Amino acid sequence: KQEVTQIPAALSVPEGENLVLNCSFTDSAIYNLQWFRQDPGKGLTSLLLIQSSQREQTSGRLNASLDKSSGRSTLYIAASQPGDSATYLCAVEEGAQKLVFGQGTRLTINP
Amino acid sequence: ETGVTQSPTHLIKTRGQQVTLRCSSQSGHNTVSWYQQALGQGPQFIFQYYREEENGRGNFPPRFSGLQFPNYSSELNVNALELDDSALYLCASSSLGADTQYFGPGTRLTVL
Repeated sequence: KQEVTQIPAALSVPEGENLVLNCSFTDSAIYNLQWFRQDPGKGLTSLLLIQSSQREQTSGRLNASLDKSSGRSTLYIAASQPGDSATYLCAVEEGAQKLVFGQGTRLTINP
Repeated sequence: ETGVTQSPTHLIKTRGQQVTLRCSSQSGHNTVSWYQQALGQGPQFIFQYYREEENGRGNFPPRFSGLQFPNYSSELNVNALELDDSALYLCASSSLGADTQYFGPGTRLTVL
């Protein structure tokens, strides 16, 4: 059974810092890995999707990497801003669009 | 192009009651998936519908059931509500086989 773990559960940093969120998964037989953002009480917004054959994806200040063999992914956020405050969720697709999520990292950026 | 919408936004029910949640897919999408997100947890896959048929199910009991209609909108029905059913219920629509699913804003269900 696939299990996805995110570390840390919560993170608080001052504005302007670069930071890394971690995600690990137990079964490397995945189709892709996605990082989502969730604002309090809201739905999910897809940030980055990495296909199983890819190593990384970038969008603006965000960069996500994938190491399938070790079952790990990282989300790097450069020059953090207060508007980046949210919960970040990592999810792997096992096939047929079924996503298995981690429990999320709650990020707070302090002005 | 309209996004994924869900109704109602919030709902309060008592234990033992039944509830129906609704989801309107994004235009052109023929697949809808439902997820349950308990407070402080990541979403968990309930089931997926494709062209009005169930197309995969997670580890949820039969009292969780669904429907998909010819216009690809969908319902999630939960019978015999339990306190642990309190959660944010999310639906996501996509085209079958596509990488990206688009999530709705969710329905917050509270069971008292």
